Amino acid sequence: SQELEQSPQSLIVQEGKNLTINCTSSKTLYGLYWYKQKYGEGLIFLMMLQKGGEEKSHEKITAKLDEKKQQSSLHITASQPSHAGIYLCGADTPGYALNFGKGTSLLVTP
Amino acid sequence: DTAVSQTPKYLVTQMGNDKSIKCEQNLGHDTMYWYKQDSKKFLKIMFSYNNKELIINETVPNRFSPKSPDKAHLNLHINSLELGDSAVYFCASSITLQAGGPGEQFFGPGTRLTVL
Repeated sequence: SQELEQSPQSLIVQEGKNLTINCTSSKTLYGLYWYKQKYGEGLIFLMMLQKGGEEKSHEKITAKLDEKKQQSSLHITASQPSHAGIYLCGADTPGYALNFGKGTSLLVTP
Repeated sequence: DTAVSQTPKYLVTQMGNDKSIKCEQNLGHDTMYWYKQDSKKFLKIMFSYNNKELIINETVPNRFSPKSPDKAHLNLHINSLELGDSAVYFCASSITLQAGGPGEQFFGPGTRLTVL
């Protein structure tokens, strides 16, 4: 079965700093999804990547999928307190569901 | 308008009881899911379901059963609740892409189940 390893597990950054979260798969990724979960709430879809080398951006968040389609990174530029939460990467499975990594908890301090 | 809703938001119950969590989506999606998030925030798929197919994660005990009265609803019924069932349960929905894969999944706000 496919395993997704996220790093780091947790991250504390000062407001305005840049940060990167990584997601590494044990198998080739056919669809890689990034979600954000605010504490105590549901998941919010951020981006989906499918092609090797693909890069997508939304506001200050950029996600990339490497050429080999086994690793993805999520980069936040000039972090803000509103970026705080748990970031989860998820991968397609044959049953249409997502197999998620264990998440990266982000705290942004003033 | 809420896209994916779940009720109740909180559920506290005794061991051995039977309980249900309801999920409704108004997005017109044809596939729905139940996920379980444990105390370490690890999110795992329990079931995925569309009109034609129920796919069960083999690690899910058969005390858990999804019930879908129609395309917009997928309820989760749990028999003989155990302490280890305490978790947050999320419902989600998506379209079923022709090329496979769920595309964007829309998640409900979660139901926090506490078994005493």
